[in-house]
Parts: sequence; C-alpha cells; structure tokens
Amino acid sequence: QQPVQSPQAVILREGEDAVINCSSSKALYSVHWYRQKHGEAPVFLMILLKGGEQKGHEKISASFNEKKQQSSLYLTASQLSYSGTYFCGTEYGEGKLIFGQGTELSVKP
Amino acid sequence: EAGVVQSPRYKIIEKKQPVAFWCNPISGHNTLYWYRQNLGQGPELLIRYENEEAVDDSQLPKDRFSAERLKGVDSTLKIQPAELGDSAVYLCASSFGTSGRGEQYFGPGTRLTVT
Repeated sequence: QQPVQSPQAVILREGEDAVINCSSSKALYSVHWYRQKHGEAPVFLMILLKGGEQKGHEKISASFNEKKQQSSLYLTASQLSYSGTYFCGTEYGEGKLIFGQGTELSVKP
Repeated sequence: EAGVVQSPRYKIIEKKQPVAFWCNPISGHNTLYWYRQNLGQGPELLIRYENEEAVDDSQLPKDRFSAERLKGVDSTLKIQPAELGDSAVYLCASSFGTSGRGEQYFGPGTRLTVT
C-alpha cells in the first residue's frame, strides 16, 4: 500500500521547475506533502483531500487527480532553499499516513 | 509556540540493552504519533495515540517495543531488548484533533545506533 513517488531524485538549477508525482494503487482519501532536509524533521507543506482540489503555497502547489489516484507537487522557479527530500503521505480513510520512499531534490546555483 | 520536543537526540547502545525515548508534543495537540525512519526511507508509523488511548498500534513490534502516554500529554517509547535492526531515527509527531488527518508537526527525532 506504500505510494510510489517519481522521480526518485532530481537536480535543478535555481529558477527551474520540477514536478514530483505520488501514485497509489488504492483509492485515496487525502494526500499530505512534507519536505525533510538532511538531519532535520519533516516539515508539513500541504494537505489535499479527494475531490481534485489544487492548493498553493508560495511557489509550491499541488494537485490531486482522483481518477488516477495520484497527486503531483509542483515547484516553480526553484530556490536553493527548496533542496531536500519530499515525501508524500497517503491516507485511505483510517486516519493513518503511509509515506512514500521520498524524492530527493537538489537545487544548484 | 514551542515545537515537539524529543530526547535524547542521539543514543548508542549495545544489542540486547534497553532504551527509551521521550516526547513532549505541542500543547493542545490531542494526537501523538511515533514513527521509525530508516535511512533513505519515509517515516513508518509505529503507534498513534488519541489522548491517552492507543488507537493504532498494528505496526508496533509488541514483543520488544512498548509505549505509553500518561495523562494524554508526554509519551515514552521503549525497546527491550534492542536488536541491530532497530538502528534508525525515531520521530515523534503531534497534530490537533483526533481524526488523524490533520497536519502533523514532527520533532527532531532520536537517532538510535545499536552496535
């Protein structure tokens, strides 16, 4: 039931865009996105509930495709501070998050 | 507002020894979680508390792991005896409400090394 994230790793130059996908084989109730920097705690970014809504947080936004049981995280005009590992956490109506294996994002100057 | 506090931050023990981790959640957060994070992996839920009640402990290896949350605030996670495979970062998180769906705030974690 662990969601599958893609890509596993991505390297960007400052100002470039990136998309991280999170796919589930089971019907989703909600998807949570977190960013974790090396040696630090995961930090909450946003929650998306089923219904296909899109949310934004500065230059980071996300969508939820209920048909595909997939969520995508969009990072636009990336900054050095965006570097870290991004995790999606999927929830299936039981109040329990199952995290993906993570996508490592490196933003270079 | 103070965040989730965990101690110790690092712990090195020999296998078969006991170890305990402590967590103080954000004030007012009813739900508390313990996760284990192996290197290069996402956090894996061990146990979830709503107030004092453990509502999901299906992933907790009960032969060696135990947890408690007295008075619905602080929580302790114990391993006895520790095995080499227990080396990981143990994260505590808390959230407001009791649905288990709210945004979770994570503590800095305890990095456990079992030798």
